This record gives sequence, structure tokens and C-alpha cells, in this order.
Amino acid sequence: SYVLTQSPSVSVAPGQTARITCGGDNIGSISVHWYQQQPGQAPVLVVYDDNDRPSGIPERFSGSNSGNTATLTISRVEAGDEADYYCQVWDRYSDHVVFGGGTKLTVL
Amino acid sequence: QVQLQESGPGLVKPSQTLSLTCTVSGGSVSSGGNFWSWVRQPAGKGLEWIGRIYTSGLTSYNPSLKSRVTISVESSKNQFSLNVSSVTAADTATYYCGREGIRADMHVWGKGTTVTVAS
Repeated sequence: SYVLTQSPSVSVAPGQTARITCGGDNIGSISVHWYQQQPGQAPVLVVYDDNDRPSGIPERFSGSNSGNTATLTISRVEAGDEADYYCQVWDRYSDHVVFGGGTKLTVL
Repeated sequence: QVQLQESGPGLVKPSQTLSLTCTVSGGSVSSGGNFWSWVRQPAGKGLEWIGRIYTSGLTSYNPSLKSRVTISVESSKNQFSLNVSSVTAADTATYYCGREGIRADMHVWGKGTTVTVAS
């Protein structure tokens, strides 16, 4: 089945830009969604279909997807952005949904 | 605004069946264009997609769990359910229900319910 690979951790100073990557075979050909999960809470969708934002999600959150890598970019990082982030895709050939292993974002 | 709420036993004995229900409010489980899903997360670990059901009743399951999982819809109660049979300690996790869009984008999540498998 389809596999998504994320780095376990990313660290960034406040005000800087965080980039969280998600690797997959030809992932650029499918839609990627990103979720933020704060400790003890349910995940929240922050980017869907590569680069769309649900209402209420700040413009600081954006996404891109090309080749074998999708990227979630968080600009002007704030302390409140510290969380786990997961990428997700729907493999239309198998009709299965797959999550990446997650990346812990630490704000220094 | 659609809201979801999981319910079910917090403790299940090994080899028994785990049964959870997700109640939909602010919308209808029968409305087209959406999938109703289950995701779980063992403590300290990542998210694992369990499966989903469309309003037509069409289901899709994680291949690693397929032999033990059933997802169903109860339209009259505006609920959908998850059954996991023959549970072991490895099934201990927080279970979330959710609503997926056509490309599995999960815009709505329940708060989650923790299930422990132990004797």
C-alpha cells in the first residue's frame, strides 16, 4: 500500500518559517491534506487539496506538492503552532486512506 | 455546523469485540458527498486510518485491519458505528470518528474516546 514518510521532528525559532515535508511515490499527482494535533486534542485540518485552507485557519499555513514531496509551510511561526503535524492522502487505486507518521514541530 | 461525538465502553476484554458509535449532529449521516470514517491513535503514536463508509453503504477498510473491522450506518439514529473483533492490547487507543470529503479530507472530527483492552 501507499507509504508517506515524514521527518520525526522539526525545530524553528519564533517568527521564522517552518517547513514540514511528506514524501511519497509521485505524491505530486494526488491531493495531500495536512492536520495539526495539539496534545490531548483531536486533529484539526489546516490544509487540504495541497494548498487550500479551511475557514478559520490563518494564511500563515500553506502547502505545496510536486514530484515526490509535499510541503506544509508555516510562516511567522508562533509558540501556539507547536504541535504534531500529519500529512494524509487518499490512494484512489486501492481506495485506502493513508497518514504519514507525523512530525513534531518544536518552537524554540 | 456538523458535530460528531464518539461513545462506547472504555474497557474491553481481550478476544472480545470493541463497539463504538459516532452520533452526528447539525447534519445528516445520509447526506451525499461525504464519507464517515474512523481513525485511531495509540498513546504516543501516530494516526491510523481504520476505514470509512459512504452514504450508499459502500465501505473501505485498512488492509491491516480489514478481517476484524466492520463500519455501518444507522440512518434512523443519525449515527455510524465501528466494530473491531478479536481485540488485543494492540487495539488500545483513542478512537476518533470523522467526516471525510471526496478526497478523504477530514474537515470534521469527534473529540475522541479512549478504549483500553485489558482483562
